[in-house]
Amino acid sequence: AQKITQTQPGMFVQEKEAVTLDCTYDTSDPSYGLFWYKQPSSGEMIFLIYQGSYDQQNATEGRYSLNFQKARKSANLVISASQLGDSAMYFCALRGNNAGNMLTFGGGTRLMVKP
Amino acid sequence: DVKVTQSSRYLVKRTGEKVFLECVQDMDHENMFWYRQDPGLGLRLIYFSYDVKMKEKGDIPEGYSVSREKKERFSLILESASTNQTSMYLCASSLGGTSGREETQYFGPGTRLLVL
Repeated sequence: AQKITQTQPGMFVQEKEAVTLDCTYDTSDPSYGLFWYKQPSSGEMIFLIYQGSYDQQNATEGRYSLNFQKARKSANLVISASQLGDSAMYFCALRGNNAGNMLTFGGGTRLMVKP
Repeated sequence: DVKVTQSSRYLVKRTGEKVFLECVQDMDHENMFWYRQDPGLGLRLIYFSYDVKMKEKGDIPEGYSVSREKKERFSLILESASTNQTSMYLCASSLGGTSGREETQYFGPGTRLLVL
């Protein structure tokens, strides 16, 4: 069985500072993928960043980077230079070795950026 | 850019009504998914489809059915809506390859359904 855990239900960060959102996972599949999504109050899920289990380097996409520690089974999202528009729910998701590329989602972290 | 659209942003229906939620993607993706999202329960997969006319049950298929007659369109059907189906419904699609980015699911804007 696959499991994703996000232990921070809510977090505050000061505008322009960096913030790390935690994600740990559990899977027995040797090949898997990890995704982060952002969900603003409007409701749509926005894809942010992807990390493959065999990728040699940590993924980066603009202000987003993924701190992937395979041995610890963690895939934390780092947002640099926070902006007010970063206030949203953030979800970590795991794709294991299953048909249809099904994802297992964590419970999410609500990030609030303070001006 | 991948575009996934859903037929309604907000929908109000009465108990017992038949409800259709439509989802369309314009990127020739193989896989399509329906989730519901509830406070405290996160996103849960209802059904998914990896090809036209193919469907697979997700974690919570009871009370729902799906239809995929064309590659770009995936419909979620509530045969007889009940109040416990009040929720946010999210549709997603993915290319369906075997390498990293091709597995990425892209979501529509969601439909907030209220069943009275």
